[in-house]
Amino acid sequence: GAVVSQHPSRVICKSGTSVKIECRSLDFQATTMFWYRQFPKQSLMLMATSNEGSKATYEQGVEKDKFLINHASLTLSTLTVTSAHPEDSSFYICSAQTTSASLSTDTQYFGPGTRLTVL
Amino acid sequence: KNEVEQSPQNLTAQEGEFITINCSYSVGISALHWLQQHPGGGIVSLFMLSSGKKKHGRLIATINIQEKHSSLHITASHPRDSAVYICAVRWGGATNKLIFGTGTLLAVQP
Repeated sequence: GAVVSQHPSRVICKSGTSVKIECRSLDFQATTMFWYRQFPKQSLMLMATSNEGSKATYEQGVEKDKFLINHASLTLSTLTVTSAHPEDSSFYICSAQTTSASLSTDTQYFGPGTRLTVL
Repeated sequence: KNEVEQSPQNLTAQEGEFITINCSYSVGISALHWLQQHPGGGIVSLFMLSSGKKKHGRLIATINIQEKHSSLHITASHPRDSAVYICAVRWGGATNKLIFGTGTLLAVQP
């Protein structure tokens, strides 16, 4: 149980285009989802926290108009990188947290990540 | 200074060796996580600790809340243990955000 998927796993796009990354909890309901980015040889950096049905809370320094987050259902959150630039190239990872009593409510379950390359 | 520090940053071991990775933090926490990230990037949660010690197979994690320190031990290491091991702490307040260490790159050679 507690599987989180991300799609796509890799994406290459041209500068100026928008890219949508999906994060799904496959076998549980995710009341909270987190979006991280990770640069090479660096640790994860939290970008935003999203709760189902409400607006995402962005970390300081993260542009909400550039990184659009939607958490429309208890199993799906999307991150859209708008007008992507080469400096947005990174590894994007989502994680999900649940209030389900059958799982650990204190654990974040991580997705496999999406590698974005902007040319 | 990072709020979560790990040591060593890089570690090379021979198969079968006992391995210890350390994590120190400077904030009040409600829980500490040990995560494993393989070369492909996927992250697996190994342990979540708020006190004491936990064991799963060849992995052991301990935490000393007073000293703000945790260790991850791997017994009888194997090449498949090669990965980045990341310590992450959850603040003690109402937030459920994690603060991550920079990771320890472990290479276990056959």
